[in-house]
Amino acid sequence: GAVVSQHPSWVICKSGTSVKIECRSLDFQATTMFWYRQFPKQSLMLMATSNEGSKATYEQGVEKDKFLINHASLTLSTLTVTSAHPEDSSFYICSASTVWNQPQHFGDGTRLSIL
Amino acid sequence: AQKVTQAQTEISVVEKEDVTLDCVYETRDTTYYLFWYKQPPSGELVFLIRRNSFDEQNEISGRYSWNFQKSTSSFNFTITASQVVDSAVYFCALSEDKIIFGKGTRLHILP
Repeated sequence: GAVVSQHPSWVICKSGTSVKIECRSLDFQATTMFWYRQFPKQSLMLMATSNEGSKATYEQGVEKDKFLINHASLTLSTLTVTSAHPEDSSFYICSASTVWNQPQHFGDGTRLSIL
Repeated sequence: AQKVTQAQTEISVVEKEDVTLDCVYETRDTTYYLFWYKQPPSGELVFLIRRNSFDEQNEISGRYSWNFQKSTSSFNFTITASQVVDSAVYFCALSEDKIIFGKGTRLHILP
């Protein structure tokens, strides 16, 4: 089946650091990738949708300059949390699709802890 | 606007009991997709099923079954003869141009 690899699986860093998370589709080409954020015991909240070669579409309330998304190829999207602060600590999870209505395949998530 | 409601926040049942997880959705589109995902304690999301809005047939996969009723905008999920390994958070999701998740139901299967 389709595999999505997300790296790193967890990261701890100091406040003010920028953190990059990678999402790769290993055995298929992902036209669309999605980035979600999940706080403990809560649902997944869509942050942004990225299509290969174009700018990401951010959901209302998500700061574009804070969460930089790059989808430079059909197999790789990156999320960079810039100047991270403790309130950015969360579980970030990506998913990838060949088209918008196909079952989304999820990465294993990244646990981000900002000290 | 699209919306997914999972009214059951948390359910506990004894192993081998059957359990149904409810999902009610709202959408103005006639074409949409519904999904169920499982999130075990380790955190990864496991895809369980996708159903499109034109296919109201119920589906059975082993101990899992799904009941899609457009008349009541529901897409319920039943686990038969539950097992401890079924303990997880289960999310129902609706897709129009993007996937929106319900708040999830935390299922505890007690030995």
